[in-house]
Amino acid sequence: QSALTQPASVSGSPGQSITISCTGTSTDIGSYDLVSWYQQHPGRAPKLIIYEVSERPSGVSNRFSGSKSVNTASLTISGLQADDEADYYCCSYASSTIVLFGGGTKLTVL
Amino acid sequence: QVQLQESGPGLVRPSQTLSLTCTVSGYSINHSGHFWSWIRQHPGEGLEWIGNIYYSGITYSNPSLKSRLALSVDASQNRFSLRLASVTAADTAVYYCARGVTLFRGYLILREFDFWGQGALVRVAS
Repeated sequence: QSALTQPASVSGSPGQSITISCTGTSTDIGSYDLVSWYQQHPGRAPKLIIYEVSERPSGVSNRFSGSKSVNTASLTISGLQADDEADYYCCSYASSTIVLFGGGTKLTVL
Repeated sequence: QVQLQESGPGLVRPSQTLSLTCTVSGYSINHSGHFWSWIRQHPGEGLEWIGNIYYSGITYSNPSLKSRLALSVDASQNRFSLRLASVTAADTAVYYCARGVTLFRGYLILREFDFWGQGALVRVAS
């Protein structure tokens, strides 16, 4: 199975909202509500920010939210801050017990 | 607090076997409900799932790596390991270990990776 599809880059100004899409197929995102999102700053390990499409782990800002429609999941970051500048990856469980990641999206805060 | 730490050689010769260990602290590997997982990131690229192992020894692997991959768990040392055989330069990457939260729906499936190690860079070069 192929990786999930994310835009290579998105940008926004401080205080604005941005949305990152993650497109899969009927055998991964479309079949399971098991999409997670990770934030990765340069040189650091990824950090979980969303699981089960829209759930936030304890300690993650409510400025981060997730949703899903058919085969596409989305991550929205509201009230952009400078520290949000990072790479973001979506991930989904897929049929045949495999796990897929998206190619990653670089967020630039202008 | 759950912590994971990768360890192993930073340089592996082509055609040899890459071996990494992940030591877990703050949580017992023997508990149900979690996978112990490996993910890698080629330089400047995205994340690639390698495989998951359950404390019972059940494994799930990326089909593209399965023929070269061996995952194991050592509960007595609270650690788990990866062995990747016949490596080439294409296996040069930062290797992360992570804890995966599982759900059971007739079989084990991954919900998310909630704790990650800091990553270990492994270069394959002669």
